[in-house]
Amino acid sequence: GENVEQHPSTLSVQEGDSAVIKCTYSDSASNYFPWYKQELGKRPQLIIDIRSNVGEKKDQRIAVTLNKTAKHFSLHITETQPEDSAVYFCAASLRSGYNKLIFGAGTRLAVHP
Amino acid sequence: EAGVVQSPRYKIIEKKQPVAFWCNPISGHNTLYWYRQNLGQGPELLIRYENEEAVDDSQLPKDRFSAERLKGVDSTLKIQPAELGDSAVYLCASSILQGGMDEQYFGPGTRLTVT
Repeated sequence: GENVEQHPSTLSVQEGDSAVIKCTYSDSASNYFPWYKQELGKRPQLIIDIRSNVGEKKDQRIAVTLNKTAKHFSLHITETQPEDSAVYFCAASLRSGYNKLIFGAGTRLAVHP
Repeated sequence: EAGVVQSPRYKIIEKKQPVAFWCNPISGHNTLYWYRQNLGQGPELLIRYENEEAVDDSQLPKDRFSAERLKGVDSTLKIQPAELGDSAVYLCASSILQGGMDEQYFGPGTRLTVT
């Protein structure tokens, strides 16, 4: 079955710097890769996703890249702000009928003013 | 639009006691998921419903866990008896397939502490 590994487990940056979180997956048939943000004590919220037919997707300060050959995908946050501080989870799924997400272990991002 | 609703938000019980969690998905979402999230880890799927049918319960510990979604809307997840290792956040999510996309929307979760 699918296995998703996520690095780093913690990340500390200064406000305005960029943050990069990386994930690798094991099942080459996986074709959908969402990223969730979870603030302390709150629900996971989808912030961006990418499908295997594209290599990059951007939404304002957030971008995701996908390398299907290497089976890894990354989240890039530019011009970080304190409100970006949260735990970020990557996930992968094989969309053959339904969206069974396999999550990474999460990255705790701290943005310091 | 109201989001996924879960109750209770917090529950503290002694081991060997039963506990139940309730989820009300987003209106119109036919797919409902129950996840368990251990501290410092990502959510792990326990069971998925398509309407009232459980179509993936391969990771549900069936000796003590049970779930139901009788009318294809609300769902309950039960643990009986609870063990210390069941302490976790139990998340409910729902989705609907639209335009080839079925983004999962999560509820706030129920934080279970077993003492």
